[in-house]
Amino acid sequence: QAVLTQPASLSASPGASASLTCTLRSGINFGPFGINWYQHRPGGPPQFLLRYKSDSDQQQGSGVPSRFSAYKDASANAGILLISGLQSEDEADYYCMIWHISAWVFGGGTKLTVL
Amino acid sequence: EVQLVESGGGLVQPGGSLRLSCAASGFTFSNSWMAWVRQAPGKGLEWVANIKQDGIDKNYVDSVKGRFTISRDNAKNSLFLQMNSLRADDTAVYYCSRDTDGILDYWGQGMLVTVSS
Repeated sequence: QAVLTQPASLSASPGASASLTCTLRSGINFGPFGINWYQHRPGGPPQFLLRYKSDSDQQQGSGVPSRFSAYKDASANAGILLISGLQSEDEADYYCMIWHISAWVFGGGTKLTVL
Repeated sequence: EVQLVESGGGLVQPGGSLRLSCAASGFTFSNSWMAWVRQAPGKGLEWVANIKQDGIDKNYVDSVKGRFTISRDNAKNSLFLQMNSLRADDTAVYYCSRDTDGILDYWGQGMLVTVSS
């Protein structure tokens, strides 16, 4: 079972909200650096969106709109990236990442379609 | 302005070697952890390796251990990835990235490495 599991795809309408889930394998926690979220549009490099360590310890990437936020679903051992007020430019691949046993580990990514 | 510019990619035969470079500017390179991340065609992001400021502490993903070596030259603000015994599944776009307190906050544009006969 993968360390981080993300649904392969998600579709949502413009103006709606989208919740992207990153499920940690049983027994694994967010680690010392929390969970990072990245946006990756085709043809360009990934962009750091935000980091979630706790409800009181989050860090937004430079220039990242406040409609991007994150939280933890403790019951599901998962991190959630919430995007509100979806725009066409939000259509991209989204990756979660944690530090696990001396290595950075990415989830498989979720392709978000805004239509 | 922080800039990371990769070079050294291209086509190489299976079993061959290639050395990627990343030229850094706009920040104090010697103060930063640095990392390489790759994306194979049609696949997701995969972290490859990282290196501490002093160049001594290094980590690698299991699939490249013993074949790839990450290094740096702080005097020249440069990061390197020496790739040996290359395989077809090493074909990917390789990104250089700055690691700031556990956040990969700046990325290069990426460099394509193709391993094929």
